[in-house]
Amino acid sequence: RKEVEQDPGPFNVPEGATVAFNCTYSNSASQSFFWYRQDCRKEPKLLMSVYSSGNEDGRFTAQLNRASQYISLLIRDSKLSDSATYLCVVRNNNDMRFGAGTRLTVKP
Amino acid sequence: DTEVTQTPKHLVMGMTNKKSLKCEQHMGHRAMYWYKQKAKKPPELMFVYSYEKLSINESVPSRFSPECPNSSLLNLHLHALQPEDSALYLCASSQDRAGPRQYFGPGTRLTVT
Repeated sequence: RKEVEQDPGPFNVPEGATVAFNCTYSNSASQSFFWYRQDCRKEPKLLMSVYSSGNEDGRFTAQLNRASQYISLLIRDSKLSDSATYLCVVRNNNDMRFGAGTRLTVKP
Repeated sequence: DTEVTQTPKHLVMGMTNKKSLKCEQHMGHRAMYWYKQKAKKPPELMFVYSYEKLSINESVPSRFSPECPNSSLLNLHLHALQPEDSALYLCASSQDRAGPRQYFGPGTRLTVT
C-alpha cells in the first residue's frame, strides 16, 4: 500500500464548478500535511498547509481528519487558472511523502 | 528572498558525459534535497543534506553523486547516465529536516541520449 494515496483523476470541470480532492495516508504518526500545486513542466508550489481545525484561503478549503487519516481539498468557483496537478503531501519522520497527484482541467 | 535557484534549466547529455546540476538558496535553510520526477509521477526523493551532511541516500545509483559545498549550495554530479535517467531534477530546501515546508527550485530538465 502506498503511504499517500489520492483520487486518480483526471478531473475535467467547467468554470465556476466546485471540485473536491481526497487523499488518505497510511502512517498514523504523520506530523504535517500540505497541498502542493504543480503546473505542467514546473516545480511544485505550496498551495496550503492543512490543519486539524480545517483552514480556508479564498476559494480553497482544506480539511484533515486524523482519526480517518484523510485529507481533502475543496475548490469553489473554479477558474481556468486552477488547471494543474494537485499533490497531497504528508510529512513523516522529517521527510515529505508525495501522493501521485490529481490532474484538474477547468474548461470554459 | 524565498527562492531556490537551479542551473541549468535544460541539459542534454550523452551517456559518456560528465555534468553537474547546481542548486542555490539564500534563505538560511539547513536542509536541502534532490528529487527526481518522471512525467505524470510525483517527485521521488534521492538525497537529503542536513547541516551540510548527507543524511539520506535513497539507494540511488552511484552514477549520481551529490555534494554540498556549503549551507547555500547543493550540486548533483552526473556520470555515465542511462536514457532512463531522463527526468526533471528538483532541488528543494527547508528550514531544517523538521520543516515545516519545503521550497522547490524550478528544476533542471535532463535528457540523456
